[in-house]
Amino acid sequence: GIQVEQSPPDLILQEGANSTLRCNFSDSVNNLQWFHQNPWGQLINLFYIPSGTKQNGRLSATTVATERYSLLYISSSQTTDSGVYFCAVQGAQKLVFGQGTRLTINP
Amino acid sequence: DAGVIQSPRHEVTEMGQEVTLRCKPISGHNSLFWYRQTMMRGLELLIYFNNNVPIDDSGMPEDRFSAKMPNASFSTLKIQPSEPRDSAVYFCASRYRVLPHYGYTFGSGTRLTVV
Repeated sequence: GIQVEQSPPDLILQEGANSTLRCNFSDSVNNLQWFHQNPWGQLINLFYIPSGTKQNGRLSATTVATERYSLLYISSSQTTDSGVYFCAVQGAQKLVFGQGTRLTINP
Repeated sequence: DAGVIQSPRHEVTEMGQEVTLRCKPISGHNSLFWYRQTMMRGLELLIYFNNNVPIDDSGMPEDRFSAKMPNASFSTLKIQPSEPRDSAVYFCASRYRVLPHYGYTFGSGTRLTVV
């Protein structure tokens, strides 16, 4: 099945810093989504981005489907950005999750 | 739109007891998924339904687990008998389709603790 690798596994930053999270996937996909799992465990959908670039406030994402990777950018990070960021991709039918990047923003 | 609704939010039960988790998908979404999240295995798909029909249950760990979707607005995941290793967060998700792509929305999850 499709493989999803995220990097880095852990990232610790000071408030105000910028960060880039990467997601590599092993096959062509019909769907790619970025999720934020907050400290309460909720999975919040950030972007639905099978290709191209999208922006939402301080967050933006780019997927280059032909090269099988996606990037999530967080600018001017805040403590509320802390949590685990998951990339999930769908090949034929199933949505497969990466192992996540744990982001810690220190005040 | 209330989103995907799961109940209960937390469940603590004794080993050997039956546990039933519930999910109400978003109206109009025709696919429903059950995921389990553990520290060791991350987020893994247990089973999914298209138009209320189970399509792939290869992720269901063993016969103690069963899932049903009697209609488009309700699904259950049952564990009987429960074991401590079943302790995890169980997520339900529903999916919409905007050709040729798909989008998923997740519920808030049920945190299950089996003691």
